[in-house]
Amino acid sequence: EIVLTQSPGTLSLSPGERATLSCRASQSVSSSYLAWYQQKPGQAPRLLIYGASSRATGIPDRFSGSGSGTDFTLTISRLEPEDFAVYYCQQYGSSQRYTFGQGTKLEIK
Amino acid sequence: EVQLVESGGGLVQPGRSLRLSCAASGFTFDDYAMHWVRQAPGKGLEWVSGISWNSGSIGYADSVKGRFTISRDNAKNSLYLQMNSLRAEDTALYYCAKAGEQWLGEFFDYWGQGTLVTVSS
Repeated sequence: EIVLTQSPGTLSLSPGERATLSCRASQSVSSSYLAWYQQKPGQAPRLLIYGASSRATGIPDRFSGSGSGTDFTLTISRLEPEDFAVYYCQQYGSSQRYTFGQGTKLEIK
Repeated sequence: EVQLVESGGGLVQPGRSLRLSCAASGFTFDDYAMHWVRQAPGKGLEWVSGISWNSGSIGYADSVKGRFTISRDNAKNSLYLQMNSLRAEDTALYYCAKAGEQWLGEFFDYWGQGTLVTVSS
């Protein structure tokens, strides 16, 4: 099973700053099979990025995804107050398995 | 507008059973695979099970294989999760999630608000 490790665990930034979140896989992941989600307290997760770099419907262009192989990144170019949340990466692997990273909490500094 | 509404959660004793339901609307249900994803209190996300549009492809996490059964009724636009031999570690908020395609797919593009399952004596 592929393990996804997200870093940092918590990221403290101010509105207007740039956020860079990392997701590292224990084995190579097809770029087509890497997604990112945002979850705010008391809410369901929301799909942000699929295929490592494609934005989901309605997602602002300040969110971008990149990476390949075992290293993937979610970048938020200029933080808005509503962007402070927990972010998860997720991969789809062989044997029809899906795994999530443990999450990165993006908090207001 | 895509809507997924879960129901059927509650408090159940260890070893007992529970059946979750998810009512879907706002899209052509039988065109898409569907999944269950859970989140234990204060923890991260864990995929539980998925089913293709025609029920021809089904997958389970190792943690629930042999105890949980996923199914769907396309005529009723509904997804189900039959949970047997429940354990304390199954306590979680269970989300219904839509795939982006007919087969199990690579990601989950819409999620319900979840139904809480608590396993405790």
